[in-house]
Amino acid sequence: GQQLNQSPQSMFIQEGEDVSMNCTSSSIFNTWLWYKQDPGEGPVLLIALYKAGELTSNGRLTAQFGITRKDSFLNISASIPSDVGIYFCAGCSNDYKLSFGAGTTVTVRA
Amino acid sequence: DTAVSQTPKYLVTQMGNDKSIKCEQNLGHDTMYWYKQDSKKFLKIMFSYNNKELIINETVPNRFSPKSPDKAHLNLHINSLELGDSAVYFCASSRGASYGYTFGSGTRLTVV
Repeated sequence: GQQLNQSPQSMFIQEGEDVSMNCTSSSIFNTWLWYKQDPGEGPVLLIALYKAGELTSNGRLTAQFGITRKDSFLNISASIPSDVGIYFCAGCSNDYKLSFGAGTTVTVRA
Repeated sequence: DTAVSQTPKYLVTQMGNDKSIKCEQNLGHDTMYWYKQDSKKFLKIMFSYNNKELIINETVPNRFSPKSPDKAHLNLHINSLELGDSAVYFCASSRGASYGYTFGSGTRLTVV
């Protein structure tokens, strides 16, 4: 299957900080998606991107579809405690399945 | 109204047993999936059905058998459970992968 490299693997946030994570692939994708998983739940779709260069926001979240179609990033602005969780990127090159990154675990800094 | 519901939420069983996990979606989606999430949280696709037809069957032991009686249901039966089968199993559905999936809340399987 296609490999997505997601980084960082984990990060600590302090309330009010802006944080960023990204995903790269050796293959071209037609669609990039970002999901968040809370403990004990399934991943929930945050943002979907369909066009190279596209920049899309959902509240404090902003994601971009890289111009080469091989990467995407997700920014969270002014983070709050409920932003903790695992964030997954996913890419789609056909309509049959998504390939997922390994996830970025976001934790609150004590 | 739960969009994708899977049961049970937790399943603890002994090695060698046979168990089933059920999944139902009320979104009218044509495609359903089973994913396995290991202890490192990696999501790995196992199977996908489109309108009751198997379209994806990744490298999964024969002990795992999916069944889709209709497009709203996709069940997973596991024979002769092994310790390494312990994981969280997610059901998901979509109207096309590029629209994204709607996931169920997962079934945590523990084999002892």
